[in-house]
Amino acid sequence: KAGVTQTPRYLIKTRGQQVTLSCSPISGHRSVSWYQQTPGQGLQFLFEYFSETQRNKGNFPGRFSGRQFSNSRSEMNVSTLELGDSALYLCASSLGWGLETQYFGPGTRLLVL
Amino acid sequence: GESVGLHLPTLSVQEGDNSIINCAYSNSASDYFIWYKQESGKGPQFIIDIRSNMDKRQGQRVTVLLNKTVKHLSLQIAATQPGDSAVYFCAENKNTGNQFYFGTGTSLTVIP
Repeated sequence: KAGVTQTPRYLIKTRGQQVTLSCSPISGHRSVSWYQQTPGQGLQFLFEYFSETQRNKGNFPGRFSGRQFSNSRSEMNVSTLELGDSALYLCASSLGWGLETQYFGPGTRLLVL
Repeated sequence: GESVGLHLPTLSVQEGDNSIINCAYSNSASDYFIWYKQESGKGPQFIIDIRSNMDKRQGQRVTVLLNKTVKHLSLQIAATQPGDSAVYFCAENKNTGNQFYFGTGTSLTVIP
């Protein structure tokens, strides 16, 4: 069974631009969570989707948004990029919602210049 | 301004020795815990999990111990190999869907 896939793997943007990252969960998994990983803050939860609905949201500004499609694929968007948004963005998929094991993808490395 | 990185605890062990990585968690009501291994340039890889109704769980070469009294989690790796060199994270679920809170991680280096 294929694992979690994320595209693109690497991205360079400039301040003020916006970016969309994509995540395809493990086949059959219906929950997708997004995390931001930086050297300064570690792994921080962004949001979680299950059945196309956002179930939880972390403490990030409204510039960070996401959505989930009927096939469970998910996208996250960051608008008006700031230098501090440079990070590894990780997607994790789970079979269902609630105390489920999460499996991570390889991440998208975003560099904001 | 200058960014300050997280202070990452480090552990160095000789190949073949056993490793113990510790983690203190924050919420006594947390019900589910996962240990992840992250190698450079890769996403976290699931190692082993444990639910709060257990105090020990074993996998292949790995054992997780949960002490709810002191809110402490440990990962034991038997016969540590060079391929075990990575950063190890504990993650806790505070009964909030699939939202996990991650520790700062421990960097394990295996000396051949």
